Amino acid sequence: AQSVTQLDSHVSVSEGTPVLLRCNYSSSYSPSLFWYVQHPNKGLQLLLKYTSAATLVKGINGFEAEFKKSETSFHLTKPSAHMSDAAEYFCVVSPVRGTYKYIFGTGTRLKVLA
Amino acid sequence: GAVVSQHPSWVICKSGTSVKIECRSLDFQATTMFWYRQFPKQSLMLMATSNEGSKATYEQGVEKDKFLINHASLTLSTLTVTSAHPEDSSFYICSVTGEASTDTQYFGPGTRLTVL
Repeated sequence: AQSVTQLDSHVSVSEGTPVLLRCNYSSSYSPSLFWYVQHPNKGLQLLLKYTSAATLVKGINGFEAEFKKSETSFHLTKPSAHMSDAAEYFCVVSPVRGTYKYIFGTGTRLKVLA
Repeated sequence: GAVVSQHPSWVICKSGTSVKIECRSLDFQATTMFWYRQFPKQSLMLMATSNEGSKATYEQGVEKDKFLINHASLTLSTLTVTSAHPEDSSFYICSVTGEASTDTQYFGPGTRLTVL
């Protein structure tokens, strides 16, 4: 069965320090993987996606994620947090490439402290 | 990516009335549209998938007669919550995907429905 696990429901970092949001997935096939961000009362914005090209994926706003097949992980990182990064982050897997159905993680709320 | 709008952004209605929510893909031929609902501090729950010109496919446990979905064109889908009750209060989000990008969904800004 396909699944996504976001290991931390809440993460707090100080402004200017690195961000690490963890995501592990389970998929029988070679999946497409995504990170989305959701600010309060807003829709989801695509940060980045992995679709079997380079394993290190660069996204918007300085975020990047590394696909590690051996660890079935797709952790999201950013070198230096900004106050505007405070939001909910969702790791998503589309288990079978070329299909549309998403499996969502439970989300990680990122808090950035001044 | 695609630009997706939803209208209205928020709505308050009385119990027993019906509410229609529109989802528009502004610059993208959306062959498939999705409707989700999201409860506070929770992840998104897929309600239904609609393909242009076809009947929607509903997820298990979602009442077809209560949540009417129409996808009449490549740029517009509507969700009608019929005979709304307070338990239908939620954040409803649509997303789109198309032939140019079948594995990436682009999300609308959401509609906050409050049923009194």
